Amino acid sequence: DIVLTQSPGTLSLSPGERATLSCRASQRVSSSYLAWYHQKPGQAPRLLIYGASTRAPGIPDRFSGSGSGTDFTLTISRLEPEDFAVYYCQHYGSSLYTFGQGTKLEI
Amino acid sequence: EVQLVQSGAEVKKPGESLKISCEASGYSFTSYWIGWVRQMPGKGLEWMGIVYPGDSDTRYRSSFQGQVTISADKSISTAYLQWSSLKASDTAIYYCARRPPGFYGFDIWGQGTTVTVSS
Repeated sequence: DIVLTQSPGTLSLSPGERATLSCRASQRVSSSYLAWYHQKPGQAPRLLIYGASTRAPGIPDRFSGSGSGTDFTLTISRLEPEDFAVYYCQHYGSSLYTFGQGTKLEI
Repeated sequence: EVQLVQSGAEVKKPGESLKISCEASGYSFTSYWIGWVRQMPGKGLEWMGIVYPGDSDTRYRSSFQGQVTISADKSISTAYLQWSSLKASDTAIYYCARRPPGFYGFDIWGQGTTVTVSS
């Protein structure tokens, strides 16, 4: 099974700063099958990016995704207070859906 | 409005059975997969399995195979997750989520159902 490893585990930044979150796959994967979510405390996850780089409907353009092969990145260009949450990458392959362990983005 | 509404919180004893639900509205229920995701206290997301309500095709993560049963009733646009014998380690929040055809993420999520198993 593919393992997704996210880094860093915790990222401490301030509003207005740029955030760069990493998701590394244990083997090469198709970017078509890579998605990003965030989850705020007490809420369900929300889809941010799919196909590695396509923003989901309603997601602000300060969120962008990139990468291919085994290395993928979620970038938040200018942090807003509501962006502080836990971020997960997720992959689909061989009828399995795998989540990374998460990156906590904190103030 | 497209939404998934899950059943309410449950408190059960070890060994008891349980079936939680996820009611879909605002879209064609039979055309989208519905997945279930577990989140244990303070932990990350784990995909458990998925069902296609159109033909009841069901897939499970190996670690959940035989531990839970996922199903769907298209007549009432509802998906289910059930246990025949709960363990304390089943204590978690369970989310249902929609996966569109030709798309490999989950675009709509239910609000979550908290299951607490304690003697």
